[in-house]
Amino acid sequence: DQQVKQNSPSLSVQEGRISILNCDYTNSMFDYFLWYKKYPAEGPTFLISISSIKDKNEDGRFTVFLNKSAKHLSLHIVPSQPGDSAVYFCAASFRGTYKYIFGTGTRLKVLA
Amino acid sequence: DAGVIQSPRHEVTEMGQEVTLRCKPISGHNSLFWYRQTMMRGLELLIYFNNNVPIDDSGMPEDRFSAKMPNASFSTLKIQPSEPRDSAVYFCASSSDREGTDTQYFGPGTRLTVL
Repeated sequence: DQQVKQNSPSLSVQEGRISILNCDYTNSMFDYFLWYKKYPAEGPTFLISISSIKDKNEDGRFTVFLNKSAKHLSLHIVPSQPGDSAVYFCAASFRGTYKYIFGTGTRLKVLA
Repeated sequence: DAGVIQSPRHEVTEMGQEVTLRCKPISGHNSLFWYRQTMMRGLELLIYFNNNVPIDDSGMPEDRFSAKMPNASFSTLKIQPSEPRDSAVYFCASSSDREGTDTQYFGPGTRLTVL
């Protein structure tokens, strides 16, 4: 049973537009969430995180939103660039523990 | 600084053979993780070491899988005997719980194909 779900396996967006990647989780006790980006033939790299005490965290073009009541988080990329084309994994965790529960990933393609 | 190093990058083997995957974590990191990535299940944690000691191996699929960490700079994941369903990308990651962050840094992965 997947505790972290990314229901869209792929997404295509025009360059300059907003990309929105979604993630749902089932365990309301998770208190720390992360997004990782993965290019082909490379390992995942940390992108951005958010604690459950916040509902938004920004880092440049990347913003993560957390809706605890809906057990939903999303990653917004504005504006999208061709170099953002990658697989994006969301993960949930209990802060201070080691265990990340990853989703299955969403492949983003940004069209030039 | 060198990141997490994994070898080999690709491994093709026949069913029944032993496979050994290797990992060198980032220097100074004291936590090490082995993950497996498949299309159906995404990234799954197989085993977690802290200060070279296995803490959680609940993700190891079965007895055919074993992992060791003889010192702070080296870990192996062994599959014996290998089966076609073990075909996947295996990642090693490391982190430091002494830096006040638990961000995990991943290696480039080993793509394993079992024929």
